[in-house]
Parts: sequence; C-alpha cells; structure tokens
Amino acid sequence: QSVLTQPPSASGTPGQRVTISCSGSSSTIGRNNVDWFQQLPGTAPKLLIYYNNQRPSGVPDRFSGSKSGTSASLAISGLQSEDEADYYCAAWDDSLNAWVFGGGTKLTVL
Amino acid sequence: QVQLQQSGPGLVKPSQTLSLTCDISGDSVSSNSAAWNWIRQSPSRGLEWLGRTYYRSKWSRDYAVSVRSRITINPDTSKNQFSLQLNSVTLDDTAVYYCVSGTQMDVWGKGTTVTVSS
Repeated sequence: QSVLTQPPSASGTPGQRVTISCSGSSSTIGRNNVDWFQQLPGTAPKLLIYYNNQRPSGVPDRFSGSKSGTSASLAISGLQSEDEADYYCAAWDDSLNAWVFGGGTKLTVL
Repeated sequence: QVQLQQSGPGLVKPSQTLSLTCDISGDSVSSNSAAWNWIRQSPSRGLEWLGRTYYRSKWSRDYAVSVRSRITINPDTSKNQFSLQLNSVTLDDTAVYYCVSGTQMDVWGKGTTVTVSS
C-alpha cells in the first residue's frame, strides 16, 4: 500500500480536461512539494511537474499541477492520444526521511 | 545535459548481492547541488525509492526503511559514477532498477531488469 493515494484509473476523450488526485498526509504533501511523473509503456518515468506546479523545459503547458493542504492534483487539458500513460505523484516524507510515491494512475484516452 | 548509463547483471541468485553502477555524464557526482538516487519498480511494489547519496561539503546518504539494513549507495569520484549494492536478495527484490539524478528526480537512466532466481 502506497503512502500517497491515487485513483488506479482515469479516462477521457480527446480534447477533454482530466484531473488526477494525489492524497497524502501532514508529513508528506502537507509539508513538502509534490512532483508528478509520466511513464509511457516500456519506458522510464519522466518528470512532468516539480515543486507542485512547475514544468520542466519541453513539457507542454497542457499539463498543470496544484496543491492544497495534504492533497495535490495533476490536470491535463486538451487531452491527446499520446497522453495515454501511467502517472505517479511523489513527495518527500519527513517522518520516513524518504521519497514516497503514489500507486499510479493509468490514464486511458477513449 | 545530464545523462545516466546503468550497468550490472540482470540475474542474481537468492541470498547473494545485487550490484549496479550508474555512469554520469554532463555533471559531477561531487556537485553541491545534485543528488543521486536509486529507485526500483515492480508490479507488487510499484515505484519504490531505495536511497540516495549527495555531497554538501561532505558525503551523505539516505536510505528507505524497507532496505536500510541491506543497502549501500556509494559515489566514485574517480569514475564519476555511483553504485547500488543490495545484500541478501530474495525473490521480492526482482524489479526494474533505475538510477536517477536530481533533487527532484529529473533525469532517469533507462532501467535494468534484475531477476532474483536460482
């Protein structure tokens, strides 16, 4: 069981806006920044969002992140077929002194 | 731009030691602003951070509680690389292992599939 909680699946049609939630605690999201990773089939995860809402160079602005209290969200607008992937949230855990991940959300583009 | 090249065996026998190396290009393992992580992924455990090493005037290491008694992550400044050693492996250590750089884990190696089997 993961320290951060994500829904196992999400879906949307092309052009739609989809959000993926990530729930943590006071020792994780409540005190630290959240990162989001995208993992396409057969590849390594890729950093999508860091420091809650910052995009690395090259990540389209269709991807956005937010955080409130002990929860965070990833939003994908203008959904495209190539967005079909697994998405993971991560945060530092002050109690464990370790990075912790969510269990991942499999996004299907219908 | 940082790039990471992983190497190491893909098959390890139970009770033996898993050893992987990650060669760094585009940065120095001794950088005062970098961190060097090992993460693994398996169907049963998902993504699991194993630990990291970093240099801030001195070398430091942080390890996940789940592997703390069995893991060592070491930098090698002469080769600009860092390594993972996981002792006394069991079938449960079968996973894809990634070396990852950055305090926000922004650069990932391609991954090494390690199978623990006799």
